[in-house]
Amino acid sequence: DTAVSQTPKYLVTQMGNDKSIKCEQNLGHDTMYWYKQDSKKFLKIMFSYNNKELIINETVPNRFSPKSPDKAHLNLHINSLELGDSAVYFCASSQEPLTGPYNEKLFFGSGTQLSVL
Amino acid sequence: AQKITQTQPGMFVQEKEAVTLDCTYDTSDPSYGLFWYKQPSSGEMIFLIYQGSYDQQNATEGRYSLNFQKARKSANLVISASQLGDSAMYFCAMRVVMDSNYQLIWGAGTKLIIKP
Repeated sequence: DTAVSQTPKYLVTQMGNDKSIKCEQNLGHDTMYWYKQDSKKFLKIMFSYNNKELIINETVPNRFSPKSPDKAHLNLHINSLELGDSAVYFCASSQEPLTGPYNEKLFFGSGTQLSVL
Repeated sequence: AQKITQTQPGMFVQEKEAVTLDCTYDTSDPSYGLFWYKQPSSGEMIFLIYQGSYDQQNATEGRYSLNFQKARKSANLVISASQLGDSAMYFCAMRVVMDSNYQLIWGAGTKLIIKP
């Protein structure tokens, strides 16, 4: 069973379109994240949810909107896609929101490679 | 500023040799955690090892060990007896407090290629 699954794995679309990436975790974790990995492999946090509540919202365009219907799901919707949105997007989860000196490792999905043409 | 630095963009190593991947960090927070992740060509991110700032001993997980030198602010990953399957990108990350939330900040990664 895949612990953190995200779909689709590949997403190719035209500029201006709206698209969604879905993420589900079956680990019973409380916290989920979206990360963006650019072409230079640099990873940057976008959002974090704890028990369906937004706790981290980094400076990303408001065209990106996360939605967490329950604590096992965190979807990412992107409006009006731009060329610069092309990247790999990773969903991840952890037991707790990294609070305190705990070994709260992140479990990652396999990534969604988004290409905007 | 809180920062992770991986100075080796790429490395070639002969199979069965030991490998050291460098990671230095900067933080004024006395409590922090250091992680290493592996990203093979298939793309997924795989947790390898963790070191807490108050841990007295260096962390070890199978062939992976973390050479933690607190005074030098370094947390190098050592892979013993490298294998072809170790070829991947390796990322160092640090758990810190930013804007009242704990977050992970990431290094730029090191691409490791194991030669047969």
